[in-house]
Amino acid sequence: SYELTQPLSVSVALGQTARITCGGNNIGSKNVHWYQQKPGQAPVLVIYRDSNRPSGIPERFSGSNSGNTATLTISRAQAGDEADYYCQVWDSSTAVFGTGTKVTVL
Amino acid sequence: QLQLQESGPGLVKPSETLSLTCTVSGGSISSSSYYWGWIRQPPGKGLEWIGSIYYSGSTYYNPSLKSRVTISVDTSKNQFSLKLSSVTAADTAVYYCARRNSGSSVDYWGQGTLVTVSS
Repeated sequence: SYELTQPLSVSVALGQTARITCGGNNIGSKNVHWYQQKPGQAPVLVIYRDSNRPSGIPERFSGSNSGNTATLTISRAQAGDEADYYCQVWDSSTAVFGTGTKVTVL
Repeated sequence: QLQLQESGPGLVKPSETLSLTCTVSGGSISSSSYYWGWIRQPPGKGLEWIGSIYYSGSTYYNPSLKSRVTISVDTSKNQFSLKLSSVTAADTAVYYCARRNSGSSVDYWGQGTLVTVSS
């Protein structure tokens, strides 16, 4: 089965840039989606199809995908960006989620 | 604004069947552009996709759960449902219903409902 690997945690200073990676075999050939989940809340879509932002998501959130790694970038990090982030792809009609990354804003 | 709401028992006994319903409001479940699905999250852990259904009744299930899962749709009530049989404590989780759009991302989620498996 297809697996997606993310770092357990990422720390970023207030106002700086955080990068969250999502590793998978030839993930560059798939569409990657990213979700933000705050404690006690349902996930929210922040990036779809590698690099597209849904309406209402700040431009500070961006994404890229190539080779074996997809990356979610949070620029000018704010305290409100503290959350768990999950990448997701579809593989053989099955949704696969990454292991999740906890982002801490210092 | 589309809304999804899960409903069902919050406590299920081991070996019994977990049953949840998702009611969709603010939009039609019969739209040809979307799939409707269930995702769960054990306490303190990550997200796990359970399965999806199209309004016509076509289903896709997580291979690891396929033998125990049934997802159905009732277009007349704008609802879809989840049944998970032979549950154990490992099935304790927050269960989310959600919509998958034509671009394959999950763009709407219910608030989630905690189901505990315990005697």
